[in-house]
Amino acid sequence: ELKVEQNPLFLSMQEGKNYTIYCNYSTTSDRLYWYRQDPGKSLESLFVLLSNGAVKQEGRLMASLDTKARLSTLHITAAVHDLSATYFCAVGETSGSRLTFGEGTQLTVNP
Amino acid sequence: DTEVTQTPKHLVMGMTNKKSLKCEQHMGHRAMYWYKQKAKKPPELMFVYSYEKLSINESVPSRFSPECPNSSLLNLHLHALQPEDSALYLCASSQDRTGGWETQYFGPGTRLLVL
Repeated sequence: ELKVEQNPLFLSMQEGKNYTIYCNYSTTSDRLYWYRQDPGKSLESLFVLLSNGAVKQEGRLMASLDTKARLSTLHITAAVHDLSATYFCAVGETSGSRLTFGEGTQLTVNP
Repeated sequence: DTEVTQTPKHLVMGMTNKKSLKCEQHMGHRAMYWYKQKAKKPPELMFVYSYEKLSINESVPSRFSPECPNSSLLNLHLHALQPEDSALYLCASSQDRTGGWETQYFGPGTRLLVL
């Protein structure tokens, strides 16, 4: 059974600081997704990482994937308040359509 | 256009009611999904339809009955629900290319309260 662990689960940071969210998973997969969810809202797709060494960047967020270590990271650079949300990583079966989500990281960026 | 729409946005129902949730996408996606999400928890997969056929049922109680009338529409029929079924119900869709799957795009959800 595929297990996905995110840490930290809660992150409070100051504006302007950098931080990294980690996503570990238990079995082979080469498809990893990061989603953002604002309170009471749906999930917004941020990044899809499809191969070992993949790196994607959008604004202050950068995601990477190491399939050998079964690890993805979401790095936040110079955080701003608008980044406050819950971030989920999700790992896919090697074949098939099932996604397994991590527990989510609730990020609060304080002025 | 990466939009998935869901109706209604909010639903309150009694334990003896029958209601339906609707989901629609016009992206040409051939895989559609129902998820249930409790507060401060990740989404839990309920059902997957692939090319209008049910491909995954995650042992969901029969009081939830999915239906895929065509490639753009997905319904979730609700009957005799319990208060613990109160949650945000999310619909998602994706391409369903052979050998794998693509990014799932989520709708805004239906917030369901069962009294």
